[in-house]
Amino acid sequence: DAGITQSPRHKVTETGTPVTLRCHQTENHRYMYWYRQDPGHGLRLIHYSYGVKDTDKGEVSDGYSVSRSKTEDFLLTLESATSSQTSVYFCAISIQGYTEAFFGQGTRLTVV
Amino acid sequence: GIQVEQSPPDLILQEGANSTLRCNFSDSVNNLQWFHQNPWGQLINLFYIPSGTKQNGRLSATTVATERYSLLYISSSQTTDSGVYFCAVDSGSEKLVFGKGTKLTVNP
Repeated sequence: DAGITQSPRHKVTETGTPVTLRCHQTENHRYMYWYRQDPGHGLRLIHYSYGVKDTDKGEVSDGYSVSRSKTEDFLLTLESATSSQTSVYFCAISIQGYTEAFFGQGTRLTVV
Repeated sequence: GIQVEQSPPDLILQEGANSTLRCNFSDSVNNLQWFHQNPWGQLINLFYIPSGTKQNGRLSATTVATERYSLLYISSSQTTDSGVYFCAVDSGSEKLVFGKGTKLTVNP
């Protein structure tokens, strides 16, 4: 177990509502990532962080924002959820960008 | 950005058979990982292997960085090996890029 907790594990929300997903780590790793997984696409990077308050965009960042005010927590926010954001969201951590990454158990989000 | 292609996309085996999964990538890498996503959706680390060969029980992996490919070998497959196998690489951007995966079904 890599010491990563995602919450909530499942969520159903309505179109247009804000949603925040949380990733919490106990490993004190510098790098944290948010990916989404959709059928036919594998996993795609949304945003990542390389330190407290240091974040950058990934491949599919439109409609998402992130924040990292503490080493251990990385939050992913959907400001106004849309049906296209229905997906499984995974958080990952690593010591450095090129070192082994470990994934959380995922959050299944359904936007109706 | 770097491209990652996995083959075959689908593979069906009888229990006890051996298999080889392939991952091709389009640029030099400083990180390559193999993951198994089990039927419950959990991503399990199999190998961190930017170059060379590693073995773990019935599984082994080889990455030939100069030729830009990696192979995952599964021997004496079991039904619990079923799931999707992902290859993911980093070419210096400090973030992993995933292939689309190989879906493995092992029948009893």
